[in-house]
Amino acid sequence: AQSVTQLGSHVSVSEGALVLLRCNYSSSVPPYLFWYVQYPNQGLQLLLKYTSAATLVKGINGFEAEFKKSETSFHLTKPSAHMSDAAEYFCAVSFKNYGGSQGNLIFGKGTKLSVKP
Amino acid sequence: DTAVSQTPKYLVTQMGNDKSIKCEQNLGHDTMYWYKQDSKKFLKIMFSYNNKELIINETVPNRFSPKSPDKAHLNLHINSLELGDSAVYFCACSAGGPLEQYFGPGTRLTVT
Repeated sequence: AQSVTQLGSHVSVSEGALVLLRCNYSSSVPPYLFWYVQYPNQGLQLLLKYTSAATLVKGINGFEAEFKKSETSFHLTKPSAHMSDAAEYFCAVSFKNYGGSQGNLIFGKGTKLSVKP
Repeated sequence: DTAVSQTPKYLVTQMGNDKSIKCEQNLGHDTMYWYKQDSKKFLKIMFSYNNKELIINETVPNRFSPKSPDKAHLNLHINSLELGDSAVYFCACSAGGPLEQYFGPGTRLTVT
């Protein structure tokens, strides 16, 4: 079965510190991977995506993620946290050829990022 | 212009009532979705729909039904509301396949 696991429901970092949010997937077919961010009381905004091109993907707001097939991982990083990065982050997976459900996003349970001044 | 809009933003209603949430997208995308986000922030697909096919998550009660008057709209009708239906409901759209989805701002439904 296809699934996404986000390690750590809550991550706290100091402003200026490295942000690392972990995501592992389980898939029997090549995945498409996404990171979304949700600010309080708002919808989800796409941060970045991996769709089988370059394995290191750069997104908005200084975030990037690296697809590692051998580790089935797609961890999200940012070199220096900013107060405005405080939000809920979701990793999601989709598949190109997965019967009638292609395109459906399967989400991880989310990681809440807190940034301390 | 907002790419994906939903109305209402907040909906408070009593058990047993029937309610609808509207969704409109102006991106010209072929596929639209409804997701439910529970109190623990977990997001789960409820429906995906394009002009050819409706795919229903088998765990969704048949009290929930999507209705698409045209390509730009996918409304969600809920009959006989229950306390457990309280959640945030998100509409989304995509150009199809495994491409990225664009989400609306959500509708917070509270059933009392």
